[in-house]
Amino acid sequence: EPEVTQTPSHQVTQMGQEVILRCVPISNHLYFYWYRQILGQKVEFLVSFYNNEISEKSEIFDDQFSVERPDGSNFTLKIRSTKLEDSAMYFCASNPGTGGSYEQYFGPGTRLTVT
Amino acid sequence: DQQVKQNSPSLSVQEGRISILNCDYTNSMFDYFLWYKKYPAEGPTFLISISSIKDKNEDGRFTVFLNKSAKHLSLHIVPSQPGDSAVYFCVESNFGNEKLTFGTGTRLTIIP
Repeated sequence: EPEVTQTPSHQVTQMGQEVILRCVPISNHLYFYWYRQILGQKVEFLVSFYNNEISEKSEIFDDQFSVERPDGSNFTLKIRSTKLEDSAMYFCASNPGTGGSYEQYFGPGTRLTVT
Repeated sequence: DQQVKQNSPSLSVQEGRISILNCDYTNSMFDYFLWYKKYPAEGPTFLISISSIKDKNEDGRFTVFLNKSAKHLSLHIVPSQPGDSAVYFCVESNFGNEKLTFGTGTRLTIIP
């Protein structure tokens, strides 16, 4: 069964460094998302992406964040200058974009630790 | 500003019995509700959904009930199995393909 994959599973970085989190959405899906979950808190929406552009973003998704679909399979989240409060699980998700489907399919997540 | 509220952070149920997870919402404009299940070190997994025009949806052992007048939905799992032990999120969506808004989650533990 097709699934969303994410790399790396765990990323440790120093404050102020840039990180890139990678995702391979399900093939033929058209909508892509990033969410995050800070330890002990709920899953929060960051950004949605469709047709090679951002379709919606949350207040969390400020100028330090960017997303890109560099080729036909990868979807990346870049944090330019990480802060301690960026430490969280980051989940990528995708949606078929057809048939009025509401379900989003999530990857296993990347644990980002900023020290 | 919590739009989707799960008031029970945890729930323990005997194996074979019914598990009932509850969720309240504040925004009457919500179009669609979903339940996701999450195991440790994994991403959320879609379980079952319901459109706001319906009041019940059933899929095997899982049934979701929607009470629009009370702005309340519930997930029933019967019979409960040890593999059902996980965190369950009540999730809403305003429109297909748009962002999902998660509740805080309820940790369900099935006791053998």
